[in-house]
Amino acid sequence: SQTIHQWPATLVQPVGSPLSLECTVEGTSNPNLYWYRQAAGRGLQLLFYSVGIGQISSEVPQNLSASRPQDRQFILSSKKLLLSDSGFYLCAWSRGDFNTEAFFGQGTRLTVV
Amino acid sequence: DQQVKQNSPSLSVQEGRISILNCDYTNSMFDYFLWYKKYPAEGPTFLISISSIKDKNEDGRFTVFLNKSAKHLSLHIVPPQPGDSAVYFCAAWWSGNTGKLIFGQGTTLQVKP
Repeated sequence: SQTIHQWPATLVQPVGSPLSLECTVEGTSNPNLYWYRQAAGRGLQLLFYSVGIGQISSEVPQNLSASRPQDRQFILSSKKLLLSDSGFYLCAWSRGDFNTEAFFGQGTRLTVV
Repeated sequence: DQQVKQNSPSLSVQEGRISILNCDYTNSMFDYFLWYKKYPAEGPTFLISISSIKDKNEDGRFTVFLNKSAKHLSLHIVPPQPGDSAVYFCAAWWSGNTGKLIFGQGTTLQVKP
């Protein structure tokens, strides 16, 4: 069966520090991969999605970047965190044939102080 | 315009009465729709989906209706139970095999005993 791992679960980082959140999927190949953010009291905002290794689509201009160094690994990064980067970050995967359900990790609560 | 909107931030219903959650989308290029349920500090879990070629899909107590002309879909929970209390998200795939899955802002459902 397929599983998705996302870590860490919680993170407190000072303003200006770097960020690296990692997500890996097991039990499937060539998945679509996603990063979403849920700010306090807000919906799920699509940040990045990837349909293959090295293929990253960015939805919103921001202080973040994403990379997909391996087929089932998706990394969310920042060189210098801002207070506004605080939120609940969710990684998700779906099968590569689209129009199907996406499966989410447990999320990372990021607090920038 | 690629938006999925849930205009009701919250909904409160009595246990045993019908619960209806609504969702609108802005573009007919969305062609597959999903509903997710989310508890605090967890990732969303998939509930039910519907293709744009259908107008209804049912799974147990959950039924999704799609009105393409109005660009509107709804999730009916019959009957709702206290354990259904959560945030419900509507989501939609952008057609053309782009890998883009857009979510609404969510509706918090409270089912009172």
